[in-house]
Amino acid sequence: DQQVKQNSPSLSVQEGRISILNCDYTNSMFDYFLWYKKYPAEGPTFLISISSIKDKNEDGRFTVFLNKSAKHLSLHIVPSQPGDSAVYFCAASYNNNDMRFGAGTRLTVKP
Amino acid sequence: DAGVIQSPRHEVTEMGQEVTLRCKPISGHDYLFWYRQTMMRGLELLIYFNNNVPIDDSGMPEDRFSAKMPNASFSTLKIQPSEPRDSAVYFCASSPSTGRLRGFGSGTRLTVV
Repeated sequence: DQQVKQNSPSLSVQEGRISILNCDYTNSMFDYFLWYKKYPAEGPTFLISISSIKDKNEDGRFTVFLNKSAKHLSLHIVPSQPGDSAVYFCAASYNNNDMRFGAGTRLTVKP
Repeated sequence: DAGVIQSPRHEVTEMGQEVTLRCKPISGHDYLFWYRQTMMRGLELLIYFNNNVPIDDSGMPEDRFSAKMPNASFSTLKIQPSEPRDSAVYFCASSPSTGRLRGFGSGTRLTVV
């Protein structure tokens, strides 16, 4: 039961351009959404989050957009840098206990 | 501050053997989670504890899997007997009761041959 879906397993962009990672969810009870970043041989680390009362949250080069009616969120990275190359996981929760993750999208930023 | 600590980092074992993965959560965190990462399903929640008590183990795939948390600073995930399809990266994570952020360990890469 994949309640959080990342349909693109990989994405490749040129350095300096925008990276857009997408995520869809099915459970309307989710009220908090997060993006985690994972480098090889390391655990996921928190990147940015958004509450369901907002539709946008920005932190430096990273912006998360939430479209509740479409049950869709996206992560924008502008400008993309080679160090951003990693696997990005989308996550959603409606309490502290139940957080569901997507399958991840591998981002490659080419110099 | 020390993060979530997992051991071992890598484990290679033969089918049928018992495997024990270990986790030390961040001090002060009330919740502890065990996840499994696979290519097909991403990060799956296996089980989580609150104040050392197992709350939801519905994600544990089979009776071959068991988890314990004897105290606030230690948890184990055991697979007995192990099978090749158990090969994956297993992550432990913890979070405080007041927040939704999870801190993850570096994971244990398990290979069952």
